[in-house]
Amino acid sequence: QSVLTQPPSVSAAPGQRVTISCSGSSSNIGNNYVSWYQQLPGTAPKLLIYDNNRRPSGTPDRFSGSKSGTSATLGITGLQTGDEADYYCGTWDSSLSAVLFGGGTKLTVL
Amino acid sequence: QVQLQESGPGLVKPSETLSLTCTVSGGSISSYYWSWIRQPPGKGLEWIGYIYYSGSTNYNPSLKSRVTISVDTSKNQFSLKLSSVTAADTAVYYCAKSSCSGGSCYNYWGQGTLVTVSS
Repeated sequence: QSVLTQPPSVSAAPGQRVTISCSGSSSNIGNNYVSWYQQLPGTAPKLLIYDNNRRPSGTPDRFSGSKSGTSATLGITGLQTGDEADYYCGTWDSSLSAVLFGGGTKLTVL
Repeated sequence: QVQLQESGPGLVKPSETLSLTCTVSGGSISSYYWSWIRQPPGKGLEWIGYIYYSGSTNYNPSLKSRVTISVDTSKNQFSLKLSSVTAADTAVYYCAKSSCSGGSCYNYWGQGTLVTVSS
């Protein structure tokens, strides 16, 4: 049971928009920055978004991040079949002094 | 672009110590934090801990009693030791370059290595 809560799965059609939520508390998301990772089948996770809404070089602008209170959201527009992957949120927890990850969300592009 | 490569035994016996090394290439280890993260088969990610190049460490409270992370700046490597392993420690182990500062901590990952705990 992860401290950060993500929906187990989401799905949408190609070309559509989808959002993935990540819910935490004041000791983690509420007072720290959120990052998002994409894990394509059989590969290592890859940094997609950092510091809530910043994209590292190489991340298409179809991917966006936002944070409000103790929740964060990853948005993906113009869905492509190549976006099918597991997505994880991550953040620092000030009470635990530890890095936390959400349980992961499997995105299916129908 | 920094690259990370994990190495070590793919099979460890129960009650023994798991030992992995991460070799950093394309940049110096003498900056940033360096992390270990694992993923049991079919499951999510679990942070194990990190080390700063100076040697200061921070571990997951749930694993702290069994974990040691060390750094060798002369070899541009850092290492993980996990003692008294059980089948529950079977996972893909990733090393990562971590940028951590002021409430922000994010990771760039190596390709990972599967470690199976079995007799």
